[in-house]
Amino acid sequence: SQQGEEDPQALSIQEGENATMNCSYKTSINNLQWYRQNSGRGLVHLILIRSNEREKHSGRLRVTLDTSKKSSSLLITASRAADTASYFCATDVGSGGYQKVTFGIGTKLQVIP
Amino acid sequence: EAQVTQNPRYLITVTGKKLTVTCSQNMNHEYMSWYRQDPGLGLRQIYYSMNVEVTDKGDVPEGYKVSRKEKRNFPLILESPSPNQTSLYFCASSLKRTGTLSNQPQHFGDGTRLSIL
Repeated sequence: SQQGEEDPQALSIQEGENATMNCSYKTSINNLQWYRQNSGRGLVHLILIRSNEREKHSGRLRVTLDTSKKSSSLLITASRAADTASYFCATDVGSGGYQKVTFGIGTKLQVIP
Repeated sequence: EAQVTQNPRYLITVTGKKLTVTCSQNMNHEYMSWYRQDPGLGLRQIYYSMNVEVTDKGDVPEGYKVSRKEKRNFPLILESPSPNQTSLYFCASSLKRTGTLSNQPQHFGDGTRLSIL
């Protein structure tokens, strides 16, 4: 089963609005990362948040992490048509040696001009 | 330019005909990985490699083989492809993912779309 599950699976908004995507996971994590995938392309890393952090910002992106609820959210402010893509959360799990990363199913975001 | 290169980008083939998808990275990364992406299932890891000559199974390794003879290359081999291996495949690389460097972001290729008839 998937470690991370994004919600909603699809989201359609108007340009200029904010977009919020959520990710829930099942086991304790070390880090959580968000990736973006444009149609027909590979994933691109957006932002990482560590398990001891609660919020992180990068440009128009804001990520929160609530380890008690095992959930994270990605907020894209003032969305643009170019933000249209699928967004995935990825969790890092493990201790000591190799840290396994598991991807969620993704949220497909459409920003309408 | 730092990149992960996969070839071919598209392939249509028939059941049982051995094929290899190549993956090469120019960032001197230790860690490389193969994923398949299917609708409703997200990305699932097939195999990964921590370094040269070190490979291990991911979540869905059945029907696949890999090798890591050189640091830059990590080919994915389908010895006897079957229709259930029709999928979009991604290769990724990163700095090593152990200990204090466990949070390294992965760099992805643009994908290989395989159709097995």
